Amino acid sequence: EVQLVESGGGVVQPGESLRLSCAAAGFDFSTDGMTWVRQAPGEGLEWVTSISARGSSTDYADSVKGRFTISRDNSENTLYLQMNSLRVDDTALYYCVKFGCGGDCFDYWGQGALVTVSS
Amino acid sequence: QSALTQPASVSGSPGQSITISCTGTSSDVGDYNFVSWYRQFPGKAPKLLIYDVSKRPSGVSDRFSASKSGDTASLTISGLQAEDEADYYCASYTTSSTWVFGGGTKLTVL
Repeated sequence: EVQLVESGGGVVQPGESLRLSCAAAGFDFSTDGMTWVRQAPGEGLEWVTSISARGSSTDYADSVKGRFTISRDNSENTLYLQMNSLRVDDTALYYCVKFGCGGDCFDYWGQGALVTVSS
Repeated sequence: QSALTQPASVSGSPGQSITISCTGTSSDVGDYNFVSWYRQFPGKAPKLLIYDVSKRPSGVSDRFSASKSGDTASLTISGLQAEDEADYYCASYTTSSTWVFGGGTKLTVL
């Protein structure tokens, strides 16, 4: 059974940093691309960033480019999201998501880690 | 990248069929067959319903079907059931090598 468990969420002030982790299990982590998707309270889904299976390729939404960094440790089956210069509008539930369907869809989602940016 | 356009809400009675549209541009929905649909219940993570425009993952009911024409994709739920009441999102790959979601549609079963 595929499991994706996020951790590292919390409350921070604007301008501060936070690192999310996602522990993966139940599949060959090193062969699948991974993604972070966020959802602000009461709002819709927003794609944030993706990373290829080996970590050699990354893409970012314009809203986080230059502030967030996605990375992965395939030896530890763990995905990371380093978030710097956090803003109030980064407040959201951050989902760790696995690419599936040959890279064409998001087939498994974690339960999310809540990040609150508030002064 | 602007969000794909979905109706904010749709409704239907049990047994009826409803369709949710998802309108993008020639830079996303219109250019790729990498359109997928997700269902989200309150307080839960989204779940994949449809991928590659019209394919259903194993375990997803055949009451869910989908298609695409030009820049607009559509999800149809037939034989509406009370348990279908949820939020539905479309997503597409884009020419910028990014992904974009629709704004979401709240389905109410009357």
